Amino acid sequence: GAVVSQHPSWVICKSGTSVKIECRSLDFQATTMFWYRQFPKQSLMLMATSNEGSKATYEQGVEKDKFLINHASLTLSTLTVTSAHPEDSSFYICSARGSPGQNNSPLHFGNGTRLTVT
Amino acid sequence: QKEVEQDPGPLSVPEGAIVSLNCTYSNSAFQYFMWYRQYSRKGPELLMYTYSSGNKEDGRFTAQVDKSSKYISLFIRDSQPSDSATYLCAIPLTGANNLFFGTGTRLTVIP
Repeated sequence: GAVVSQHPSWVICKSGTSVKIECRSLDFQATTMFWYRQFPKQSLMLMATSNEGSKATYEQGVEKDKFLINHASLTLSTLTVTSAHPEDSSFYICSARGSPGQNNSPLHFGNGTRLTVT
Repeated sequence: QKEVEQDPGPLSVPEGAIVSLNCTYSNSAFQYFMWYRQYSRKGPELLMYTYSSGNKEDGRFTAQVDKSSKYISLFIRDSQPSDSATYLCAIPLTGANNLFFGTGTRLTVIP
């Protein structure tokens, strides 16, 4: 099955610094990847849709200048949390569709990155 | 009204019990339905993927869709401690890339 790899699995950073999270599709090409955020005991909230070779689409209320997304290849999307603050501490999960172009097909998720900003 | 609603639980059952997890949805046009399992501090993994009404079985897991009631269920037979996780229902938004997720039901199977 489709495998999505996410790195790092956890990171601790100081307030004001930037953190980059990588998401890779290992055995398939993903023209579109999705970035979610999940707070404790809550469901996944879509932050943005990452499109290969073009600008990401951000959900309402998500600051595009704070959460920079780059999707430079068909197998890699990165999310950079810039000038991180403690309220950015969360679990960030990327996903990709195993069958590109089929909007009803399931998403496959990475194992998430737990970000703690001190 | 939310697109997908799910009882967050938590739900605790003894080992071997039959577990029933449920979601309701608002849009009768939804046709595809998914269940994900998420272990603590891990990303969700796809468990079941169904289309339209009816039942789909995979081992100890059965997904059931009742489109007339806009109700979907996941049944786990002979539950095991390893089934302890959060279960999320998900429905793709028609014409878009996104999935609507339920809030997730946290299940604990007690040995």
